[in-house]
Parts: sequence; C-alpha cells; structure tokens
Amino acid sequence: DAGVTQSPTHLIKTRGQQVTLRCSPKSGHDTVSWYQQALGQGPQFIFQYYEEEERQRGNFPDRFSGHQFPNYSSELNVNALLLGDSALYLCASSLGGGAPRPQHFGDGTRLSIL
Amino acid sequence: AQSVTQLGSHVSVSEGALVLLRCNYSSSVPPYLFWYVQYPNQGLQLLLKYTSAATLVKGINGFEAEFKKSETSFHLTKPSAHMSDAAEYFCAVSDLGSQGNLIFGKGTKLSVKP
Repeated sequence: DAGVTQSPTHLIKTRGQQVTLRCSPKSGHDTVSWYQQALGQGPQFIFQYYEEEERQRGNFPDRFSGHQFPNYSSELNVNALLLGDSALYLCASSLGGGAPRPQHFGDGTRLSIL
Repeated sequence: AQSVTQLGSHVSVSEGALVLLRCNYSSSVPPYLFWYVQYPNQGLQLLLKYTSAATLVKGINGFEAEFKKSETSFHLTKPSAHMSDAAEYFCAVSDLGSQGNLIFGKGTKLSVKP
C-alpha cells in the first residue's frame, strides 16, 4: 500500500521563477493538505484540497496556489519565488469528513531559492 | 485562535532513561491533539492522537501521552529511551472547525546518549 509520494525530492530555483510541486495521496485518501516547513520550525499550513476545491487556506499570499485532480493527486504552485520561500514542502493526505482525521505525510520536497 | 507551545527546543537523555517532551495547547473548543516524529530528511510520522476518548493515549514505539484538560497539556513520554528514538518531535492541535488542518509547535529535538 503506497503512502504519500511527492516529487521532486529536491529543487533549486532562482528568485522570480515559478515552481510546481506534486503529490499523490495515500491510497483511499481524498483530501490533500500542503505545509511549508522552514529550517528549524514546525510545519505551517498552506491550504487544503477536497473534491477538487480549495477548502481552507492558511496565511499565505496568493503567489501560492494549488490544484487537485479527479484522481485526488495535487499540485502546489508558487510564483515569483522569494528567498524566503526556501523550505521543505510537505504534502499530507487524509480521508475527508467532518472530524479531524490523522494526516499522513510524504517525505517532502526540499526547495532552495538562490 | 489555536496554538501549541513545546517547552524545550532540545532535550537530551541517556539510553534507558525516561523521555518527557512537553506540549501545552490553547484552544477555545475541545481539541484533537497529535504527536508526530520526524527523522532527518523525512516527512512526519504519526506517533499517537487524542480525540476525546481515553485521556491516556498509547502510540507506536512505546510512546504514550496524557491529555490533561485542567493543565491544557498533552505531554509525550516513554519509559526507556532507545538510540533509535533520536529525532524531532512535533505536537499539533486541530479542531472540528478546521477540517483537520494542523497547527504545529516548533518542535523538540530529542538526543539519546549511549
């Protein structure tokens, strides 16, 4: 049973560029959340996708956008990259519903901005 | 607004000693609480969760946590540390209104000395 998979594992970009990160949820999960983890910090919630719609969003600018596909996989897009966007980006999947369900995390994409 | 405070960014114990990692939460509604572990260059793995059932929660790898409403705490313990427990540990809170999105503490790095 495959867990959450993310690609790529590492990425180097320069300021002003755009990036797309990808996530496939754990089998049977229909909800995908994205988190940003800066060095030495806990993960911070970016947004969550359910039924191909953004269901909730954290305190991140519009440069951060996403998408969920009919097979529940998801993309995170970041435009106009800043040095401060350097971080580990984590994707987590869960089973949708009213009650908070445990989220299962992928190993993340390490994004470095030069 | 919800928040999580983890006391001690770094805890060091000897192999075989008690592990105690502290977590205090702030929530205006009954919370759901989680402990996650992160090994170097990996994502987060769920250790245990509290969802308003038993106040003493047992997790994987011999860890357990006790929910104390009067103290707004959810401390993580393990009777006897093993070298393989060395990792970073994150406490997280969620509630029914957040669609399962997690608010994390800043993490506690556990070192285990031989």
